[in-house]
Amino acid sequence: GAVVSQHPSWVICKSGTSVKIECRSLDFQATTMFWYRQFPKQSLMLMATSNEGSKATYEQGVEKDKFLINHASLTLSTLTVTSAHPEDSSFYICSARAPGGRGRTYNEQFFGPGTRLTVL
Amino acid sequence: GIQVEQSPPDLILQEGANSTLRCNFSDSVNNLQWFHQNPWGQLINLFYIPSGTKQNGRLSATTVATERYSLLYISSSQTTDSGVYFCAVADSGNTPLVFGKGTRLSVIA
Repeated sequence: GAVVSQHPSWVICKSGTSVKIECRSLDFQATTMFWYRQFPKQSLMLMATSNEGSKATYEQGVEKDKFLINHASLTLSTLTVTSAHPEDSSFYICSARAPGGRGRTYNEQFFGPGTRLTVL
Repeated sequence: GIQVEQSPPDLILQEGANSTLRCNFSDSVNNLQWFHQNPWGQLINLFYIPSGTKQNGRLSATTVATERYSLLYISSSQTTDSGVYFCAVADSGNTPLVFGKGTRLSVIA
């Protein structure tokens, strides 16, 4: 399969601070990455589509000024939670579609290990 | 957008038992994936199966695209199979996956 990493794996911060989460594709290039959020015992909900070299596309109800996404290179997308509040506490997961080859199926998506954010 | 429904929502099995998980989707898809989410939250890719049948060890999956459903079979279940199984679909090449609500599986010894 393909390898997608996230950093940090967990973070605890005070209300009002900003937190940056990195998503990297380690063994392939990704022009598009996706950011999801998962609350306890719930499914994954898409937050935004991150496009290399252009603006992210946000899902309805997701505040673009609060969740800043930057896809600076073909292997890195970042999600910054600005002025975090306790209701932003969640599990954030990124994914990317890997190209075919090396035992991978074209169009298959791979997910990072997630970042658990706790805002006090 | 596409709707994804998974059943059953919860399943408890005795070790060694077999099970079938179902995923129904509301529109044509060109990507369907099954995942196992482990206790640490990592999504493990099980199958990429927009159509047809695949097998990998004790797991197999079948997608009948014309009837808009997919099945995940787990045979001879083990306690390590416990966790949440998600089905996710997309209707075109580079669009994000839409997830079902998952099936929470508990395998007891």
